[in-house]
Amino acid sequence: GESVGLHLPTLSVQEGDNSIINCAYSNSASDYFIWYKQESGKGPQFIIDIRSNMDKRQGQRVTVLLNKTVKHLSLQIAATQPGDSAVYFCAESGTYKYIFGTGTRLKVLA
Amino acid sequence: DTGVSQNPRHKITKRGQNVTFRCDPISEHNRLYWYRQTLGQGPEFLTYFQNEAQLEKSRLLSDRFSAERPKGSFSTLEIQRTEQGDSAMYLCASSSEGGRTEAFFGQGTRLTVV
Repeated sequence: GESVGLHLPTLSVQEGDNSIINCAYSNSASDYFIWYKQESGKGPQFIIDIRSNMDKRQGQRVTVLLNKTVKHLSLQIAATQPGDSAVYFCAESGTYKYIFGTGTRLKVLA
Repeated sequence: DTGVSQNPRHKITKRGQNVTFRCDPISEHNRLYWYRQTLGQGPEFLTYFQNEAQLEKSRLLSDRFSAERPKGSFSTLEIQRTEQGDSAMYLCASSSEGGRTEAFFGQGTRLTVV
């Protein structure tokens, strides 16, 4: 399959450890945020979302934190597994379109 | 309906040729988006439809690009007189109306202009 994001920032974590991926967004008017996971040769896959009236939301093994003061978003993955290896993007939405960040490549080490 | 479907998955074309891609969104979604993604970058917004109306076009969408959604269901993206710089992954996404909801993406069409 084709690689996505050959020159992206990379986070390497040991299998079983927790991962934290960070994202800075640009538009203070954005009120909805999404984390996507993208595997090589595939389209982005929805992981979790959060609205601006919240500062934390939890899913299965994932948690998103939102700090509107500094326009910062983070994705925490608990007990990282090999299948979590991918490129992760945050996206912000203020009206109808989604604006994506640069992305972070997560590598899970066995 | 199991998700957003895009065809073809891969397209290789010679510079100067026209190409057309198709996107079939999730059936109950009335919002449809086209994005372009190059290596090392996040998806970049190209255009957006609500039902059959094209409500916004990015300045990335030059005059050689045209998108349609004639019946508010499937959409096509055509690139005329392709250039090598058009080589990219073209992604389609759809979402439902009614506030902030996630957009679901297709697998994309990989265009290579030689």
